[in-house]
Parts: sequence; C-alpha cells; structure tokens
Amino acid sequence: NAGVTQTPKFRVLKTGQSMTLLCAQDMNHEYMYWYRQDPGMGLRLIHYSVGEGTTAKGEVPDGYNVSRLKKQNFLLGLESAAPSQTSVYFCASSLKGEQFFGPGTRLTVL
Amino acid sequence: KQEVTQIPAALSVPEGENLVLNCSFTDSAIYNLQWFRQDPGKGLTSLLLIQSSQREQTSGRLNASLDKSSGRSTLYIAASQPGDSATYLCAAGIKAAGNKLTFGGGTRVLVKP
Repeated sequence: NAGVTQTPKFRVLKTGQSMTLLCAQDMNHEYMYWYRQDPGMGLRLIHYSVGEGTTAKGEVPDGYNVSRLKKQNFLLGLESAAPSQTSVYFCASSLKGEQFFGPGTRLTVL
Repeated sequence: KQEVTQIPAALSVPEGENLVLNCSFTDSAIYNLQWFRQDPGKGLTSLLLIQSSQREQTSGRLNASLDKSSGRSTLYIAASQPGDSATYLCAAGIKAAGNKLTFGGGTRVLVKP
C-alpha cells in the first residue's frame, strides 16, 4: 500500500511556464484535495474533489486548475506560473473525514 | 468562517516531560478534529482523529481531547522523547461538501535529551 504519492518531488519553473502536478492514491478514497503550505500562512486548500469527474474550488483557487478523470488520480495544473506560486504543494485523500497526506512537491517559480 | 489557533507557536521541553499542545477553534459546529505531525521537509502524518460526538481519542502515548462547547482540543504526549520533536498541527473539519479541514498554524516542539 503506497498510500498517497506525488510527482514530481521538486520542480523549478520560469515565470509563464506551465506544469502539472500528479497525485495518486491506492486506498480507493472518494475525496481528494490539493493544498499549498507557505511560511506564516499555514496550509490552505486550493481545490478539492468529492468523486471521479467532480472538482470544486477551495480557499485559494486562482491560477490553478484541476482534473479528476480517474478516482485514484487528482491533477493540479498551473497554466502560467508566477513567483507567488512558489510553495510546497500537498495532496491528500480522505476516508470518513480522516485525511491522509502525500510527501509534497516543492515548487520554485523564478 | 472557521479560524483555528495554536498557541504557543514553539515549545521546548526536557526529555521525559509530558507535552500539552493546545488548539482552539471559533465555530463549534465541527464534524471532526484531526491532529497531525509534520517533520521538516516532509508531509503530514495523521496522529489522531476525534469525531464531533467523541470527547477523546488515545493512541499509545498520545491522547487528544475535544471540548466543542469551549472550542478547544488538547493533545497530550506522555513521557516525551527526542523523536517527538516535530511540528504538530490541528485541523477542524466541517461536514459540508468535501469534509474540508481548516488548519491551525502549528506548534513546533523540541524535546531536549
């Protein structure tokens, strides 16, 4: 059981570039989430999904898009990266309200 | 809007002392309360989940209590060890679509040998 995995672990982008972060879970969880963690700001919810084919906005959705084409995968996209999107990104999945987190992706936008 | 606060932001104790970590939330209509541990550069590890109908949960040396009426949860770690050094985060969950969590800022704990 791998739990929640995230790809890649690290990435450096230039302003204006695009990229997709992949989250995968093998626990058959319905709910999945994307967060960002910044010093002094704590963990903030970007987008979430309550099932395959559904997505919804969280607290800080601007500049990000998501897709949940398969139950086990939740993708986070940055269409035109900005320095303000430099952060650590965490994916999580949930069963009966308990959330389980992946190891994170450290993204730097220059 | 739910707000979650953890005070103090940092705590240092000698090995063997019991740890008491505080979490307060503004909206008592929570679905659950979850405690996490985060090591530097790592993801969050779930420690304990307390449902809104429960008063406490225990796992080994860890015990978490929940008092919805006062908007407080407390995590107790008995007989602390250097390996307990980490940041501890609490998060309050809502039942509405998505079972979303609101996180506190965390308490950074250092257990000195």
